Amino acid sequence: DAGVTQSPTHLIKTRGQHVTLRCSPISGHKSVSWYQQVLGQGPQFIFQYYEKEERGRGNFPDRFSARQFPNYSSELNVNALLLGDSALYLCASSSDGYEQYFGPGTRLTVT
Amino acid sequence: GESVGLHLPTLSVQEGDNSIINCAYSNSASDYFIWYKQESGKGPQFIIDIRSNMDKRQGQRVTVLLNKTVKHLSLQIAATQPGDSAVYFCAENINNQGGKLIFGQGTELSVKP
Repeated sequence: DAGVTQSPTHLIKTRGQHVTLRCSPISGHKSVSWYQQVLGQGPQFIFQYYEKEERGRGNFPDRFSARQFPNYSSELNVNALLLGDSALYLCASSSDGYEQYFGPGTRLTVT
Repeated sequence: GESVGLHLPTLSVQEGDNSIINCAYSNSASDYFIWYKQESGKGPQFIIDIRSNMDKRQGQRVTVLLNKTVKHLSLQIAATQPGDSAVYFCAENINNQGGKLIFGQGTELSVKP
């Protein structure tokens, strides 16, 4: 079975631009969570979605938004990009919201 | 603020030795804990989990110990191999926060052949 997939793998954007990152969960998993990982640190929670509803939100500005589709895939959107948004963006899927399995991440570089 | 294992220590072991990686967590309400392994350029890989109603759980070559009294978690890796070299994170899940995982900065394990 395929694990969590994310696209794109790498992305370079300019300050002020908008970005959309995509995630497909493990088949049968209905929960998707998004995390931001800055180099040298542990992942920081951004959002969790379960059955297309937001179940949790971390301490991130409103420039960050997400949604989950009927097939349980998800998008993370970031508007008005800042240099500090450069990071590895990780998606995790779960069947119960507890046991979370991560994808390979999308490396975002903002210049 | 929220924190699990703020510092990024480094542990260097000889191939074949046992490794013990420690983690302090901050929230008494945490009821579920996971250890992840992260290799360079990859996403975190699930290793083993433990719920707060347990104090020990074993997997293949790994054991997790939970001490709720002192809010301490440890990961023991038996017969450490070069392929175990990675950064290891503990993460805690607080039940009333929508499945949010709180990670620390991790421990870098280096295995010498």
